[in-house]
Amino acid sequence: NAGVTQTPKFQVLKTGQSMTLQCAQDMNHNSMYWYRQDPGMGLRLIYYSASEGTTDKGEVPNGYNVSRLNKREFSLRLESAAPSQTSVYFCASSPWDSRGETQYFGPGTRLLVL
Amino acid sequence: AQKITQTQPGMFVQEKEAVTLDCTYDTSDPSYGLFWYKQPSSGEMIFLIYQGSYDQQNATEGRYSLNFQKARKSANLVISASQLGDSAMYFCAMRGWDGQNFVFGPGTRLSVLP
Repeated sequence: NAGVTQTPKFQVLKTGQSMTLQCAQDMNHNSMYWYRQDPGMGLRLIYYSASEGTTDKGEVPNGYNVSRLNKREFSLRLESAAPSQTSVYFCASSPWDSRGETQYFGPGTRLLVL
Repeated sequence: AQKITQTQPGMFVQEKEAVTLDCTYDTSDPSYGLFWYKQPSSGEMIFLIYQGSYDQQNATEGRYSLNFQKARKSANLVISASQLGDSAMYFCAMRGWDGQNFVFGPGTRLSVLP
């Protein structure tokens, strides 16, 4: 039982390049989330998916797209990377609709955009 | 809109002493959940404790307890008998009525002194 896994762990991009961050969970959770964490700050929600086939914008969705490929996988795509997207990206998952259920986080992806 | 405020950017505590980390929140949801997470220097997010808005008693988990004052909209984390390994960033978070959106505070950096 791996929990939430993210790939890659670290990535360097040049401005304008594109890439996809991968996330998978093996806990049969319905909900999945993508956050970014900038230095010295809390997590900000980029997108979330309440269930397979649905996605919704969070607080900071501009410059990102997501795909909920199936129940296990939720990917985040940067179509044209910008230096402002340099951050640590966390994927998380959670069981559906119970306000008492915490999120389970992946280890994070450190992204540097030059 | 939901908002979490953590007014202490940094805190120091002597080993074996207790420390309180402040968290206030703002929401119009009738029901919500409050969470605390720990983020050590290694970067992973670790769930510590949960408090439901309708829970009659304050939550406790080992050395962690949550001082929940609903009327004041505060959910302070109390760590008893601090250990050196408690040095980390601590984030307060809230999950609202729809169960989907998590909102995080900016965090408090706790340093435990030997």
